[in-house]
Amino acid sequence: QSALTQPPSASASPGQSVTISCTGTSSDVGGYNYVSWYQQHPGKAPKLMIYEVTKRPSGVPDRFSGSKSGNTASLTVSGLQSDDEADYHCSSYAGNGWIFGGGTRLTVL
Amino acid sequence: QVQLQESGPGLVQPSQTLSLTCTVSGGSISSGVHYWSWIRQRSGKGLEYIGYIYYSGNTYYSPSLKSRITISVDTSKSQFSLKLSSVTAADTAVYYCATLNDDGDYFDYWGQGTLVTVSS
Repeated sequence: QSALTQPPSASASPGQSVTISCTGTSSDVGGYNYVSWYQQHPGKAPKLMIYEVTKRPSGVPDRFSGSKSGNTASLTVSGLQSDDEADYHCSSYAGNGWIFGGGTRLTVL
Repeated sequence: QVQLQESGPGLVQPSQTLSLTCTVSGGSISSGVHYWSWIRQRSGKGLEYIGYIYYSGNTYYSPSLKSRITISVDTSKSQFSLKLSSVTAADTAVYYCATLNDDGDYFDYWGQGTLVTVSS
């Protein structure tokens, strides 16, 4: 099981949109619709933002959306706000376990 | 709303055993709704899945850590525990307890995390 690949950083201005990618293989991201995304503010625990590729838990703004194409999943944050500045982690079921990406630091300029 | 709280030593000597406990509140550890999990985060970046225990005692351990891990559950105390043996500096991390949902596809509740440093 290898970690999923995320860009180390992403940035955009308030009000703009940003998309973070998460690349795996056909054995994980491409093979299952079990991709989830987590937001983590400094010193805090991760928070579930997206599950099963596109679904939002109750209380998560609809500015957050997820998608998948082949072996790459994506998280899009639209209408960026200052509080969106955080680390974002993707995760996928991999057939015999669960793997995460290395995390992406989102900066709101 | 399930709440999780990790507890245990913040400093462990090399070659010793790391022991952490997660106390569950706001929900029954015997409900069968969750797989009670451990996840760690080294150097403040990527997350690593360690393993889970189901209330029945069934376990899953990450292949990379399997030889050193034991996860157990005490339903009477609403607690589950992690033991990681023969630790090295590479095991220094923030350790989180979390719940894997019953379909096994996402982690919905997390503890606040506890930093464990391996050093002499």
